Amino acid sequence: QQPVQSPQAVILREGEDAVINCSSSKALYSVHWYRQKHGEAPVFLMILLKGGEQKGHEKISASFNEKKQQSSLYLTASQLSYSGTYFCGTVRAGAGKSTFGDGTTLTVKP
Amino acid sequence: DTGVSQNPRHKITKRGQNVTFRCDPISEHNRLYWYRQTLGQGPEFLTYFQNEAQLEKSRLLSDRFSAERPKGSFSTLEIQRTEQGDSAMYLCASSSWTSGPEQYFGPGTRLTVT
Repeated sequence: QQPVQSPQAVILREGEDAVINCSSSKALYSVHWYRQKHGEAPVFLMILLKGGEQKGHEKISASFNEKKQQSSLYLTASQLSYSGTYFCGTVRAGAGKSTFGDGTTLTVKP
Repeated sequence: DTGVSQNPRHKITKRGQNVTFRCDPISEHNRLYWYRQTLGQGPEFLTYFQNEAQLEKSRLLSDRFSAERPKGSFSTLEIQRTEQGDSAMYLCASSSWTSGPEQYFGPGTRLTVT
């Protein structure tokens, strides 16, 4: 079953923060986050595994709440280069495939 | 480190024709995935391989779609008797279960069925 992402779209000014959420109705083994710019392939940002720690990458970090089967992506002090569509991909326990949400479009304006 | 490559990058075909796409994964990756993506949607899972074994195929996929990974390296995705609804971006991704399940995507093949 497809994870649900919220919000669908976010518009920010440079330097502002954003949070993107991803929730699943199924027990998850891992959550992956990707950013896709228009006309390009998704680019891997980070992965959170069940029982793992919160991950961080530059000013982008994420958490995984196993009890709620929810993950959140935190973008702090956003830059113009952060613009794009963010997808979460979820892998259920015992499964090999990833199921992706419909994405959150982030627009960062000067 | 060479990334995932896909060929061709663009394909325009007439309805009813067959098309075949190729994906070359990162060399040490033993898992390979095919996805389809349409505008405004996330990648939709089609199928995946571990080495040469096809482990799962989407139930949404009709019999017109077939994929192979004969030697556990490159993979091909064939669509027979294409329909206009097949127009989409077809993405390939690979991962290594031993070093981490994160997936690395290729640039995709954009299919247009006229």
